[in-house]
Amino acid sequence: KQEVTQIPAALSVPEGENLVLNCSFTDSAIYNLQWFRQDPGKGLTSLLLIQSSQREQTSGRLNASLDKSSGRSTLYIAASQPGDSATYLCAGSNSGNTPLVFGKGTRLSVIA
Amino acid sequence: GAVVSQHPSWVICKSGTSVKIECRSLDFQATTMFWYRQFPKQSLMLMATSNEGSKATYEQGVEKDKFLINHASLTLSTLTVTSAHPEDSSFYICSAWRGGVEKLFFGSGTQLSVL
Repeated sequence: KQEVTQIPAALSVPEGENLVLNCSFTDSAIYNLQWFRQDPGKGLTSLLLIQSSQREQTSGRLNASLDKSSGRSTLYIAASQPGDSATYLCAGSNSGNTPLVFGKGTRLSVIA
Repeated sequence: GAVVSQHPSWVICKSGTSVKIECRSLDFQATTMFWYRQFPKQSLMLMATSNEGSKATYEQGVEKDKFLINHASLTLSTLTVTSAHPEDSSFYICSAWRGGVEKLFFGSGTQLSVL
């Protein structure tokens, strides 16, 4: 069964800094991996989805990578802004139409 | 894009009452939906898999008689928290799988507070 771990649990950076959030998973036969953003008391905003055949996906200042052999994914945020402050969740599934397994998230604070 | 609608967004109820949460796929049919629960500052934990036209599959430790799931149509799944207690207070969120796009779409969640 897939297990997902995220480090660090919390991160505080000054505005403008580039940062990397880490995610690891136990089963390399991952079908896809998604990164989400969650604001306090709110639902999930899907940021990036990487299929197993892909190595990375980019959207604006965000870049996510997937390395199945090492069981790792990273989310790179360029030129961080206070509005980026939120909890970032990594989640993976082992096949289509199966539930995502979530990590515990990284709580990011970007200080102006 | 695909939209999953979840209602209500928040609900406050008295201990011992039942609460129903609805999850609808608005522009696609979903034979399978998933229900998650999230306690404060914790991650999302899968509660059950809802299958259209058949019984739901519950994760270990989730009481099927307390959390009733009905997936009566291809666009609607409901979660009923029966005889709610304060310890059931949590954020509940549903998701639906859309084939073709090969992606799970999530509802906006329901914050349940049991007094």
